[in-house]
Amino acid sequence: GEDVEQSLFLSVREGDSSVINCTYTDSSSTYLYWYKQEPGAGLQLLTYIFSNMDMKQDQRLTVLLNKKDKHLSLRIADTQTGDSAIYFCAVKEGGTYKYIFGTGTRLKVLA
Amino acid sequence: ETGVTQTPRHLVMGMTNKKSLKCEQHLGHNAMYWYKQSAKKPLELMFVYSLEERVENNSVPSRFSPECPNSSHLFLHLHTLQPEDSALYLCASSQDTGAKNIQYFGAGTRLSVL
Repeated sequence: GEDVEQSLFLSVREGDSSVINCTYTDSSSTYLYWYKQEPGAGLQLLTYIFSNMDMKQDQRLTVLLNKKDKHLSLRIADTQTGDSAIYFCAVKEGGTYKYIFGTGTRLKVLA
Repeated sequence: ETGVTQTPRHLVMGMTNKKSLKCEQHLGHNAMYWYKQSAKKPLELMFVYSLEERVENNSVPSRFSPECPNSSHLFLHLHTLQPEDSALYLCASSQDTGAKNIQYFGAGTRLSVL
């Protein structure tokens, strides 16, 4: 089955860019998602990318997809303290409706 | 506010208790999901309902019993749970279970089993 991996922690200074990485194993994955989870809250969809795209930009967020390496990244420009949260990569398992989630990356933004 | 509401937000129960988690979505979606989120583990998909029919049961122990009376409501009935069942239980909904379904999550119920 699909396996999705993320590093557990990332610390950045306020105003810097953050890059959160994700690798996956199923090359037939069609849609890939980034979710944000703040303390005590559920998962909030940030953005998603279709597998035939290389890049998607949405305000401060840039998603890059390298299908050859099965690597997905989320770049947050001008990171703010309010961006501190856990970020989950999720991959749609090919041919199904199932999401496979990574373990999440905890982003800490230092003032 | 995602349009998916879960109650209660917190629940403490003994191993012999029976309780229920409730999820309600106001998005007009046709598919609903239960996930379990444990510390340092990926989200685990437990159950999926599409048009009120269960389409997925991911080897979940029978002490968890889902119910979907209509497309807007989803319940998770709990009985004789174990301490390792303590976790955050998340409900999600999506328009359907098609290729591009985007899942919207509730805030979760934090369950502690004593």
